[in-house]
Amino acid sequence: AQTVTQSQPEMSVQEAETVTLSCTYDTSENNYYLFWYKQPPSRQMILVIRQEAYKQQNATENRFSVNFQKAAKSFSLKISDSQLGDTAMYFCAFLVQGAQKLVFGQGTRLTINP
Amino acid sequence: EAGVAQSPRYKIIEKRQSVAFWCNPISGHATLYWYQQILGQGPKLLIQFQNNGVVDDSQLPKDRFSAERLKGVDSTLKIQPAKLEDSAVYLCASSLAWGIGDTEAFFGQGTRLTVV
Repeated sequence: AQTVTQSQPEMSVQEAETVTLSCTYDTSENNYYLFWYKQPPSRQMILVIRQEAYKQQNATENRFSVNFQKAAKSFSLKISDSQLGDTAMYFCAFLVQGAQKLVFGQGTRLTINP
Repeated sequence: EAGVAQSPRYKIIEKRQSVAFWCNPISGHATLYWYQQILGQGPKLLIQFQNNGVVDDSQLPKDRFSAERLKGVDSTLKIQPAKLEDSAVYLCASSLAWGIGDTEAFFGQGTRLTVV
């Protein structure tokens, strides 16, 4: 079974700072996808960034980037130039290619302070 | 493009009552998921449909929960009878299909259920 662990229940930074959220996962599979989702108070889960395990290059989406360490089974999210609108719950998620089951971590509550 | 629609947004019921949630996925999306998200936790998959067939319902409490996706489009999730521990947000998500290049699941806004 696949598991996803987020060890930081809460984080808080000042606006414009850089923040890194941690995620580790456990699997014996070789072909899989990793995701970071954002869930604001409105509850709607929004995809922030995704990474295919077969790609060595770390994914980047504007201010969001990941540090994917396949051997260490680590997948951290870096948010640069943080904005007040980044305040939300962030979930790391894992999907085995073909199995179609999306497994989530426990989440990290991120607060950006003005 | 319309997103995933869920209703109702909120529901309060007494324990032992029954309740139903409705989800209309994005048009053309073959895969539909129901997740349970208890306050302070990550979403837990309850059931996954591929068209109108069940792919995974291993974590669905089948003695009280049921779900269907008639005609492979919209879906309903039912709880009968409800327990206090069923209080949670129920999220519906859909995707074209995993494994063929599109790996993004789109989520609805969820239904917050409170059992008193």
